[in-house]
Amino acid sequence: AAGVIQSPRHLIKEKRETATLKCYPIPRHDTVYWYQQGPGQDPQFLISFYEKMQSDKGSIPDRFSAQQFSDYHSELNMSSLELGDSALYFCASSYRTGRIYNEQFFGPGTRLTVL
Amino acid sequence: AQKVTQAQTEISVVEKEDVTLDCVYETRDTTYYLFWYKQPPSGELVFLIRRNSFDEQNEISGRYSWNFQKSTSSFNFTITASQVVDSAVYFCALSEEIGANNLFFGTGTRLTVIP
Repeated sequence: AAGVIQSPRHLIKEKRETATLKCYPIPRHDTVYWYQQGPGQDPQFLISFYEKMQSDKGSIPDRFSAQQFSDYHSELNMSSLELGDSALYFCASSYRTGRIYNEQFFGPGTRLTVL
Repeated sequence: AQKVTQAQTEISVVEKEDVTLDCVYETRDTTYYLFWYKQPPSGELVFLIRRNSFDEQNEISGRYSWNFQKSTSSFNFTITASQVVDSAVYFCALSEEIGANNLFFGTGTRLTVIP
C-alpha cells in the first residue's frame, strides 16, 4: 500500500539559510499534518491543512510557513534557520469522514541538521 | 487542556517476558481518541492502534493488547512474550474531536528487550 512520502530524507543547512520540506500524502487523504521531533523529544504538532486550507496551528515559529497544494501535497518552508531547528520533521496524512478525522499515518521523516 | 503522561521513561526486559507500558491522559473533551505509535531505531513512526472514547473494549492483536479504562484515564499497552524486534520508543497520543485532530504525544517510553 502507498505510504506518505517525504523529501528529502536528510538535509544539512547552515544557520540563517532556508529549507523546504515536501510531503506527499497517501492517495485520497485530504488532511496533512506537520510535526517536529527534537532529539530525545516527543513529536510536537506544528500545523495542519484540510482541503488546502490551514485547519489548525500549533507551536510553529513565525519563521516557518506551510501550504497544501491542489494535488494535496504540502511544503514546509523554513527560513533564517537556527541550530535549534535541527530535528526530525514528520508529515502525516489522514482523511476526513464528516466531522471525524481518521487515524494519521506518518511519513518516514526528514532529518534536518543545522550547522 | 490536554496532556498525556508516560511515567516510564525507560524499561528493560529479557526476551519472552511480558511488559506493560503505562499511559495516563487528561482531556476536557467527552469525545477523544487515543493512540499508540512505535518508533524503532530507524526513526519512523508506526501506527499501532486508535481507540475512541466511547469504546472501552480491550483489544488484542497478536502479542499486543491494550487496556482502556476511562475511570482511571488510562490506556495501557502490553506486549506478551517480548522479542528483540520490539525494542523501540513507544508513544501514547491523544486527539480531541474538536479541532483538526492533531496529536498530543506523551514523552515516550524506551523499551529495550534483551536477548
